[in-house]
Amino acid sequence: QSALTQPASVSGFPGQSITISCTGTSSDVGGYSYVSWYQQHPGKAPKFMIYDVSNRPSGVSNRFSGSKSGNTASLTISGLQAEDDADYYCMSYTSSSVYVFGTGTKVTVL
Amino acid sequence: EVQLVESGGGLVKPGGSLRLSCAASGFTFNNAWMNWVRQAPGKGLEWVGRIKTKTDGGTTDYAAPVKGRFTISRDDSTNTLYLQMNSLKTEDTAVYYCTTALGIHRMDVWGQGTTVTVSS
Repeated sequence: QSALTQPASVSGFPGQSITISCTGTSSDVGGYSYVSWYQQHPGKAPKFMIYDVSNRPSGVSNRFSGSKSGNTASLTISGLQAEDDADYYCMSYTSSSVYVFGTGTKVTVL
Repeated sequence: EVQLVESGGGLVKPGGSLRLSCAASGFTFNNAWMNWVRQAPGKGLEWVGRIKTKTDGGTTDYAAPVKGRFTISRDDSTNTLYLQMNSLKTEDTAVYYCTTALGIHRMDVWGQGTTVTVSS
């Protein structure tokens, strides 16, 4: 199972919006509504941010939103803040009953 | 508060074995699917494997790189998840996280991780 494809880096100024893409195939992202997103600060464990493509767990800021079109899922961060500076990973359930993570995106707040 | 605490990491020689543990608290452990995820130094997240609840058959699934070498088990009487790692390779060097799936096909809560180093 190949990793989902994400851009290596995305950057933006405080207050701006950015979008991170996560591209897979019809056997994973395109075939299921089980895409989730995780935020990871350096040296820390990942944090659960989005589930089932577009749902936010309790406690996650509404500045974070998810969507999907075909084989590509996306995470949008609106009103970018300094604390959003982190790595972000998507994850999808697959037709092989296993999970696959994305390659990861480093978000830099300029 | 939902909490996961991993232990058992360390330095092991190639070909050796190691067993990781994950102590769970704050939720109904026997109702939760559990996963192991790893992260090699400077690399991204990699799913290792999953164990379902006994109600769902208690079955396990593994990522291709570890299939046949790693075994996930659970002890619902002590709320503990295990990862038995055999025939370790240098490429298994990573921080290993246990995660819980309080909802289906997602990883709601993560432990702090335990470091495994495979080196001669």
